[in-house]
Amino acid sequence: KAGVTQTPRYLIKTRGQQVTLSCSPISGHRSVSWYQQTPGQGLQFLFEYFSETQRNKGNFPGRFSGRQFSNSRSEMNVSTLELGDSALYLCASSLVDRSYTEAFFGQGTRLTVV
Amino acid sequence: QKEVEQNSGPLSVPEGAIASLNCTYSDRVSQSFFWYRQYSGKSPELIMSIYSNGDKEDGRFTAQLNKASQYVSLLIRDSQPSDSATYLCAVKTGGFKTIFGAGTRLFVKA
Repeated sequence: KAGVTQTPRYLIKTRGQQVTLSCSPISGHRSVSWYQQTPGQGLQFLFEYFSETQRNKGNFPGRFSGRQFSNSRSEMNVSTLELGDSALYLCASSLVDRSYTEAFFGQGTRLTVV
Repeated sequence: QKEVEQNSGPLSVPEGAIASLNCTYSDRVSQSFFWYRQYSGKSPELIMSIYSNGDKEDGRFTAQLNKASQYVSLLIRDSQPSDSATYLCAVKTGGFKTIFGAGTRLFVKA
């Protein structure tokens, strides 16, 4: 069974540009969550999608947005990139969005903003 | 107060010893608790999940949950150098948002 797939694995962008990251969850999983990981802040929750609906959102500016498609694949977009957006972006998928489910992470996309 | 707190470490234990990792959380209605292991440069890997008070054992790992004290722990028996990693405690809050602690770095000395 394939795991969570994130593309691309690495990205280098310039300040002011925008970027789109993709996440394909484990087959059958309908919940996708996104996290930003930096050495100083650890894993910070961005947002969670279930059945194409954003169910939860973390404390990030509106430059960070996401969406989920009918096949449960998800994308996140960061507009007007800043140097501080350099981080490892991780997505995690779960079977459903109830409490008693485990989340599995993809390999992440490492974004560098120069 | 942070929603999920862990001692950042590093925690250093000799090979073969028991490593004890602790975590506290603030949302009293949280019902799901997870431990992840993350090696440097890799993504987090799920080790254990626990939903009820008490102990849950899986091989060398034991997770302990005390909801009254809002406390979760992970014990690693017979620690191996390959267990050296950062261990992340995660809590699924009443709002179904999973919040991670900052992680505890564990070093197992051969």
